[in-house]
Amino acid sequence: DAGVTQSPTHLIKTRGQHVTLRCSPISGHKSVSWYQQVLGQGPQFIFQYYEKEERGRGNFPDRFSARQFPNYSSELNVNALLLGDSALYLCASRTTGTWSSYEQYFGPGTRLTVT
Amino acid sequence: AQSVAQPEDQVNVAEGNPLTVKCTYSVSGNPYLFWYVQYPNRGLQFLLKYITGDNLVKGSYGFEAEFNKSQTSFHLKKPSALVSDSALYFCAVRPTGDSNYQLIWGAGTKLIIKP
Repeated sequence: DAGVTQSPTHLIKTRGQHVTLRCSPISGHKSVSWYQQVLGQGPQFIFQYYEKEERGRGNFPDRFSARQFPNYSSELNVNALLLGDSALYLCASRTTGTWSSYEQYFGPGTRLTVT
Repeated sequence: AQSVAQPEDQVNVAEGNPLTVKCTYSVSGNPYLFWYVQYPNRGLQFLLKYITGDNLVKGSYGFEAEFNKSQTSFHLKKPSALVSDSALYFCAVRPTGDSNYQLIWGAGTKLIIKP
């Protein structure tokens, strides 16, 4: 079975630009979460989407936005990029409604570098 | 503020010896607890979780973790370390009552297993 996939793998952008990151969850998983992982730190929660609705938001500015599509894939958008946005962006999916829904499955991440 | 602490940035263990990676948390209520592992240039992989029940939980790759409510700890253990266990390990906590399934993460512990 295919795991969580993310694209692109790597991305280099300039300050002030906009970026879109994409995520496809494991088949059957309806919930997608986004995390930012700065080098040397643990992941920081950005968003959770379930059934195309935002169900949670971390402490990130409004420059960060996301959406989930009918096929449960998701996009993370970041506007007006800052140098501090350079990080590994992780997408995670999970199933819902059972004990196993407590664990999230992560994609390989998108490495964003802002210059 | 709710937080997760991994007090050791790095743990060095000889192959074949037992290993322990420490995690303590400061979260209200009875949280759900998780361990994930991250290999270089790869996403996070789920190892094990504690939701309720027996304080000793067993997970993937021979790892286990012991939940101690009075010490608010959830240490990761393995009886006999392998060189292939070398990776970055993260402890994560989901606060009780958080319907957003947001995870609070530790900063990670680098585990180095020497032959």
